Amino acid sequence: EVQLVQSGAEVKKAGESLKISCKGSGYSFTTYWIGWVRQMPGKGLEWMGIIYPGDSDTRYSPSFQGQVTISADKSISTAYLQWSSLKASDTAMYYCARSYGGNPFDYWGQGTLVTVSS
Amino acid sequence: QSALTQPASVSGSPGQSITISCTGTSSDVGGYNYVSWYQQHPDKAPKLMIYEVSNRPSGVPDRFSGSKSGNTASLTISGLQAEDEADYYCSSYSYTTSGTLVVFGGGTKLTVL
Repeated sequence: EVQLVQSGAEVKKAGESLKISCKGSGYSFTTYWIGWVRQMPGKGLEWMGIIYPGDSDTRYSPSFQGQVTISADKSISTAYLQWSSLKASDTAMYYCARSYGGNPFDYWGQGTLVTVSS
Repeated sequence: QSALTQPASVSGSPGQSITISCTGTSSDVGGYNYVSWYQQHPDKAPKLMIYEVSNRPSGVPDRFSGSKSGNTASLTISGLQAEDEADYYCSSYSYTTSGTLVVFGGGTKLTVL
């Protein structure tokens, strides 16, 4: 069974760093892209970027380029999304999701809620 | 890279059919046959309902269908059921100066009356 299991909810202060994770199982982790999607409270889905764990090829939405870093450790089938300096506006639910060719996302993680206080 | 345009809300009665539109440009919806549709119930992760314009993943009822004409894609749900009440999002590849990325629509809230 394909599963993407994300790390737990985080409560941080503005200016702090954060790295959240997404562990894949039940499939060949290195042959599917893993993407990250933001959903701010009460808002829609936003595509942040995507990584191919097989060779770490990474693409970012222009809206998120330079604001976050996407990485993966294929030895433990885990993808990451990290911030070096959080802002209150980063408060959102973050989903990871799997894709064979980049689009569509066929399996999704349960989401990680990130709350940043100012 | 602008979001694809969807109506904010649609509604229908049980048993009826509804259609949700998703309008983009020739750089996204019109340029690729990679339009997808997702269903999201409150406090749940999105679920893939349609991929590559009109294909249904295993387990998705055939009441859900997709199509595309020019720069506009559509999701049609026939025989509406109460459990179809949810938010629906379209997505597409998008050709940008930063390469080929993915863009979502703004989402449509479906209310089953």
